[in-house]
Amino acid sequence: DTAVSQTPKYLVTQMGNDKSIKCEQNLGHDTMYWYKQDSKKFLKIMFSYNNKELIINETVPNRFSPKSPDKAHLNLHINSLELGDSAVYFCASSQGAGVDTQYFGPGTRLTVL
Amino acid sequence: AQSVTQPDIHITVSEGASLELRCNYSYGATPYLFWYVQSPGQGLQLLLKYFSGDTLVQGIKGFEAEFKRSQSSFNLRKPSVHWSDAAEYFCAVGGTGGGNKLTFGTGTQLKVEL
Repeated sequence: DTAVSQTPKYLVTQMGNDKSIKCEQNLGHDTMYWYKQDSKKFLKIMFSYNNKELIINETVPNRFSPKSPDKAHLNLHINSLELGDSAVYFCASSQGAGVDTQYFGPGTRLTVL
Repeated sequence: AQSVTQPDIHITVSEGASLELRCNYSYGATPYLFWYVQSPGQGLQLLLKYFSGDTLVQGIKGFEAEFKRSQSSFNLRKPSVHWSDAAEYFCAVGGTGGGNKLTFGTGTQLKVEL
């Protein structure tokens, strides 16, 4: 059973397009996250939701909009894609909103041409 | 602001040799420390974590790490490396002052020579 799943695994698109990445966790966790891993493998948090409420919002362009329809899902929508958005995006989840172990999904490799 | 430094970008060891990956952190309050491993094309898997208590923590796959507050370090060790340990290793710090925000180091890529 996959604990944290993401779709799609790979996403190739043109500049200017709008795309979404979906994330689902079946761990019963209350908190979910989006991370971006750049070409140098540096991981940086983008957003965090606890029970569908935004609790962490790092310095991310407003072209990126997370949406949490329920606490098991956290989707990432990206408008007007740019070359610099090419990266691997990881979803993660944890039990609570305090410090807790985060469980990561397999990642979505986004390539913007 | 919290930060993590992993001084070694690449490390190569022979199979069967011992391993130590370095991690230094900066955090203003009590740190919570993690080591994750990322195999090629995969997500991150938790190896071990330190929240409190015994400063030597045991993890999966035979890894251990020691928290040294005086040195602001949380180095990862393994007594005998296997070829399957070749991967990218990330140290991360979080704490009560930052919600559940984890700050990751830049990673250390481990290569294992047969």
